[in-house]
Amino acid sequence: AQSVTQLDSQVPVFEEAPVELRCNYSSSVSVYLFWYVQYPNQGLQLLLKYLSGSTLVKGINGFEAEFNKSQTSFHLRKPSVHISDTAEYFCAVTIGDSSYKLIFGSGTRLLVRP
Amino acid sequence: NAGVTQTPKFRILKIGQSMTLQCTQDMNHNYMYWYRQDPGMGLKLIYYSVGAGITDKGEVPNGYNVSRSTTEDFPLRLELAAPSQTSVYFCASSARAETQYFGPGTRLLVL
Repeated sequence: AQSVTQLDSQVPVFEEAPVELRCNYSSSVSVYLFWYVQYPNQGLQLLLKYLSGSTLVKGINGFEAEFNKSQTSFHLRKPSVHISDTAEYFCAVTIGDSSYKLIFGSGTRLLVRP
Repeated sequence: NAGVTQTPKFRILKIGQSMTLQCTQDMNHNYMYWYRQDPGMGLKLIYYSVGAGITDKGEVPNGYNVSRSTTEDFPLRLELAAPSQTSVYFCASSARAETQYFGPGTRLLVL
């Protein structure tokens, strides 16, 4: 069965510093990978996704992620964060052979300080 | 373009009461989903639908029911509310293996 692990429940960082949010998954089949962001009291919004092709994926708001099949990871990075990036970030993978059902990680709260 | 809308935004239920959480999308997506989000946890899939008239269970379906009579609507029914169903509920829709678009959520408190 698939699973998603986000080891860091909270990541504090100063404004304009780089950040990496970690995501590891386990699966016996090929997967699609996603990062979603949730701002306070809102629904989730897609940041980026990996379906196939280049392992380096660029998303909205300057975020990017790299798919590493050998390490079963899909870490999210941003070279310089802003106060407005403060939010909850969720990694998700597709379930089994389904291309549309997702399993979500427990989330990482990114806290950007001035 | 409204996207995915959910009503109500917040509701308090007594144990044993029933209610329906409404979800509507205007993007003509075939796929729709219901998730619950508990504090400190990721989203758990309750039910999903791949088209009108077709629904299936997700990871945590117990205590819930759904129907999909139209492409646009995907209501979630709680028949006998229990404290364990206190959560934030999100509806989402997608066009096959693409982006899932989420509604703003319904916060439910069962006392």
